[in-house]
Amino acid sequence: DSGVTQTPKHLITATGQRVTLRCSPRSGDLSVYWYQQSLDQGLQFLIHYYNGEERAKGNILERFSAQQFPDLHSELNLSSLELGDSALYFCASSPGTGFGPDTQYFGPGTRLTVL
Amino acid sequence: AQKITQTQPGMFVQEKEAVTLDCTYDTSDQSYGLFWYKQPSSGEMIFLIYQGSYDEQNATEGRYSLNFQKARKSANLVISASQLGDSAMYFCAMREEGGTSYGKLTFGQGTILTVHP
Repeated sequence: DSGVTQTPKHLITATGQRVTLRCSPRSGDLSVYWYQQSLDQGLQFLIHYYNGEERAKGNILERFSAQQFPDLHSELNLSSLELGDSALYFCASSPGTGFGPDTQYFGPGTRLTVL
Repeated sequence: AQKITQTQPGMFVQEKEAVTLDCTYDTSDQSYGLFWYKQPSSGEMIFLIYQGSYDEQNATEGRYSLNFQKARKSANLVISASQLGDSAMYFCAMREEGGTSYGKLTFGQGTILTVHP
């Protein structure tokens, strides 16, 4: 158990819908990262927050948005869902800003299925 | 160009033997980190080992060691005394620290390791 929690574990929804994925980082970690894992794209970085501020953006679609709250938990919002958004979404956390031996510990993931 | 290349889609090893999983990387940054993660069939991503670009010694963590050859841009994972529980997908990842996307991990495509009894 990495100490990172993600809810829900599984999510099944329809095209066009909107969902929210939630992540609680390890105690004391200030950084939260979101990744998407799909069969065709592999593991892709989406976004990084540090202590409530957005630090880096990756291949995140405009239909997707995220935020980190004052209690450091984070939410990833996916809207106007398409079949291709079906994937395993991971949240990871680390103590620092992402330099040096600042290791990212991953949550168990949320498996999203869009029908 | 691929930033992280794992050329072995699948590897097989006998229990109690050692196995090397290959990883090559491409970066122009002087400062970067290399990571290995394990993903069992249950799906979670488990951190195994980290190597910094300025580290002069190869990293070791229990049965895991990282064979870091900076000039060749390779960061191979060595698992000694393989166990059945080592059967999983293994990902090599790099974090470049020279630009603005610090924190971002770039992953390879992974290698599926199967340990035979």
